[in-house]
Amino acid sequence: GAVVSQHPSRVICKSGTSVKIECRSLDFQATTMFWYRQFPKQSLMLMATSNEGSKATYEQGVEKDKFLINHASLTLSTLTVTSAHPEDSSFYICSASVGLGGGAGSDTQYFGPGTRLTVL
Amino acid sequence: DAKTTQPPSMDCAEGRAANLPCNHSTISGNEYVYWYRQIHSQGPQYIIHGLKNNETNEMASLIITEDRKSSTLILPHATLRDTAVYYCIVRVVGAAGNKLTFGGGTRVLVKP
Repeated sequence: GAVVSQHPSRVICKSGTSVKIECRSLDFQATTMFWYRQFPKQSLMLMATSNEGSKATYEQGVEKDKFLINHASLTLSTLTVTSAHPEDSSFYICSASVGLGGGAGSDTQYFGPGTRLTVL
Repeated sequence: DAKTTQPPSMDCAEGRAANLPCNHSTISGNEYVYWYRQIHSQGPQYIIHGLKNNETNEMASLIITEDRKSSTLILPHATLRDTAVYYCIVRVVGAAGNKLTFGGGTRVLVKP
């Protein structure tokens, strides 16, 4: 159980174009989803937290107009990188939290496999 | 969330137990200890978590000291597929919006 998928797994795009990445919780409903970015040889950095049906909360230094997040349902969140530039090339990872029924176990975050974005 | 300190790297022999230490001396009473691992080019994988009691599941055991200032993740029989970066994270539990803050982790290399 607690499987999270991401699509696509890898994408190459031209500078100036927009790219959409999907994150789905396959076997549970996720009230909260998180988006992270990881540059080579670095740790994961949280970009934003999204709750179903409400606006995402962005971390300091993350441009909300550049990284559009939509969490339209309890099983799907999308991250759109608008007007991508080479410096946006990175490994983007989402996670989903069950958040049901209280207790420590229900709050565990489960991660997707990641999407590697390369902007030429 | 409290900060954690982990050794940057460690080697272990295949088939042997791997003991991964984590220091969290400023942990608060309502913070849990979580362990994740990240195999190269994949998303992090949840391993185990605990508050103050020792915990065990099919993947690993978590030993938390009585004062909760440190913990040890034990992989009982390390395999080559356990080679990964292991992250120890402490966080408050109770609301799904609570974040995970990843540090540098421990890069574990399992050798044949």
